[in-house]
Amino acid sequence: GAVVSQHPSWVICKSGTSVKIECRSLDFQATTMFWYRQFPKQSLMLMATSNEGSKATYEQGVEKDKFLINHASLTLSTLTVTSAHPEDSSFYICSARGRSRGTEAFFGQGTRLTVV
Amino acid sequence: QKEVEQDPGPLSVPEGAIVSLNCTYSNSAFQYFMWYRQYSRKGPELLMYTYSSGNKEDGRFTAQVDKSSKYISLFIRDSQPSDSATYLCALSTGTASKLTFGTGTRLQVTL
Repeated sequence: GAVVSQHPSWVICKSGTSVKIECRSLDFQATTMFWYRQFPKQSLMLMATSNEGSKATYEQGVEKDKFLINHASLTLSTLTVTSAHPEDSSFYICSARGRSRGTEAFFGQGTRLTVV
Repeated sequence: QKEVEQDPGPLSVPEGAIVSLNCTYSNSAFQYFMWYRQYSRKGPELLMYTYSSGNKEDGRFTAQVDKSSKYISLFIRDSQPSDSATYLCALSTGTASKLTFGTGTRLQVTL
């Protein structure tokens, strides 16, 4: 399958600081990137969808000014959690879909964010 | 009613057993059906991908889709301890549409 690399795997930050998470598609062009959040023992919650050349579309209840998404190129998307608070601590996962890959979505390894 | 229903488990089976994992859904517009496996603290890994109704087999895994019943299944034959993970079904209405996930079923295969 296709490879999606997410970095970092984990990060601990102080409350009030911002954290950037990168998601790269290594062997295909990602026309669409998805960002999810997952709480322990729960399923994936879609936060936002980012299509090539467009601004991200956020799901209801997700603050776009807090979770900044940049789809900088066809192989890179970033999620920045601004002014992080302990309640933002979670597992964040990106996924990418490309024209050459049909409707299959490939996931990154996830980033465990802990805000202290 | 959730769009996709999946029993969270946990489901515990002995090594070598046949495992049946299922999801039901309510939106008849779903056309694409996927199964992902997720190990603890890792991102989901695509196992099976099916378009419309029918069966698809890949090694020990078989995916079934019954659109008339709005019911999808994943069968794992000769289950191994390494199959212990959470299995998520994911459905989509189109190639440009988002995936809607089930809650995931936690599977434990014991020796």
